Amino acid sequence: TQLLEQSPQFLSIQEGENLTVYCNSSSVFSSLQWYRQEPGEGPVLLVTVVTGGEVKKLKRLTFQFGDARKDSSLHITAAQPGDTGLYLCAGRGGNMLTFGGGTRLMVKP
Amino acid sequence: DSGVTQTPKHLITATGQRVTLRCSPRSGDLSVYWYQQSLDQGLQFLIQYYNGEERAKGNILERFSAQQFPDLHSELNLSSLELGDSALYFCASSVAPTGWSYGYTFGSGTRLTVV
Repeated sequence: TQLLEQSPQFLSIQEGENLTVYCNSSSVFSSLQWYRQEPGEGPVLLVTVVTGGEVKKLKRLTFQFGDARKDSSLHITAAQPGDTGLYLCAGRGGNMLTFGGGTRLMVKP
Repeated sequence: DSGVTQTPKHLITATGQRVTLRCSPRSGDLSVYWYQQSLDQGLQFLIQYYNGEERAKGNILERFSAQQFPDLHSELNLSSLELGDSALYFCASSVAPTGWSYGYTFGSGTRLTVV
């Protein structure tokens, strides 16, 4: 079973701060996806990264896939209260997605 | 609205009982996935169906079963319920067997509370 570990588990910051969350595995993944889950809702796909070293930007969010394809990071610039939620990384394991435990982010106004 | 419909949204039942959770996938999606989300376990894959047939199985207990019907909706049956089965149950759908390229579309979940 391929495991994904996310850190930190919890993060509480003030509006306007920058942050980075991490997703690590001892296994190589062909690609990784990042999802955001808001309270009372299901996870929503943010991005898929495929190539080692790949960097993708989505407005204030920057996603990076490690060169060895074992890790990924999500950096948020100038966080806003609307960024509050659970951030999940997911890697392909066979025919299904394997999810990390998530980083619960709270951005206070 | 993601296009994936799950009912009911909330369910409270007693230990030992049986419940059925229902999922209608997004229009055009043939794959349905069931996940269990609890505070200490994260999102755990249970089972996948593709066009009516079981395609992949995860950590699904023997007390749990699922099926996908000809109209592609899916049901997850949970029996002999225990307190530890209390969790959020999510259904997700994708267009392809693996759904990899396009990601999964999740429903809003069913919150099951066993008392």
